[in-house]
Amino acid sequence: EPEVTQTPSHQVTQMGQEVILRCVPISNHLYFYWYRQILGQKVEFLVSFYNNEISEKSEIFDDQFSVERPDGSNFTLKIRSTKLEDSAMYFCASRESSGTEAFFGQGTRLTVV
Amino acid sequence: QQQVKQSPQSLIVQKGGISIINCAYENTAFDYFPWYQQFPGKGPALLIAIRPDVSEKKEGRFTISFNKSAKQFSLHIMDSQPGDSATYFCAARTLWDYKLSFGAGTTVTVRA
Repeated sequence: EPEVTQTPSHQVTQMGQEVILRCVPISNHLYFYWYRQILGQKVEFLVSFYNNEISEKSEIFDDQFSVERPDGSNFTLKIRSTKLEDSAMYFCASRESSGTEAFFGQGTRLTVV
Repeated sequence: QQQVKQSPQSLIVQKGGISIINCAYENTAFDYFPWYQQFPGKGPALLIAIRPDVSEKKEGRFTISFNKSAKQFSLHIMDSQPGDSATYFCAARTLWDYKLSFGAGTTVTVRA
C-alpha cells in the first residue's frame, strides 16, 4: 500500500540552527501539507502546497518556515533558525486531486536543545 | 481560536466495553468530519468520517453520531479491544478547503 514517508524519524538540533524535514508524498498526489503536534497537544495545520506554491498557511507558519518541492518526489519543510518552541512532531500529508482524504506520514520528531 | 473541542482528554475502558468520545465545533461552514486514530510514533490515520447530511455512520465497531443543530459529533467504539488503545482525534473541515482543524485528542486505554 502506498504511503507517505518522512525522514529523519528524529532530529535533534541546536537552537538557532537550520533544519530541513523531508517528505516523500504518495506518487500520484498533487496536494501537500505540513502539520505539527507539540507534545501532548493537538495537531495543528501549518501549510498547504499545490502546483509549486503555497495555497494556504497558518499564523504559525511565519518567516522562519519555508516549503519546497525540490524535485518530482520530495517535499521539504525548512525551519531557518530553530527555537525551543519548535520542538514538536511534524507530519507531512498528501492528497490526490480527486481525493477526499489526505494521508499522513509517520512524522519527524524535532527536538531543539 | 479553538474551532473543535474534544472530550474527554483520556478514558479507560474494560475490554468489551463502549468508548465514547465527544466533539463540538464552532464553524458552521464545516461540512466534513473525520476521526483519526494515532498509535505512538505513528501519524494520524483516518478511521471513519461523516458528512452532516446523515446523523449516523457505522463501520464495524466504530460509529459516528452527528447532531447538526447542536454542532456536536461523537465516536463510539463498541466492544472495545486492547488493540484499540490509541489516541483518537476528531477533526473538521469545509468541503472546498482541505485544511483540517483537529480536536485536542483523547487517549483511550482498553484494559484486558
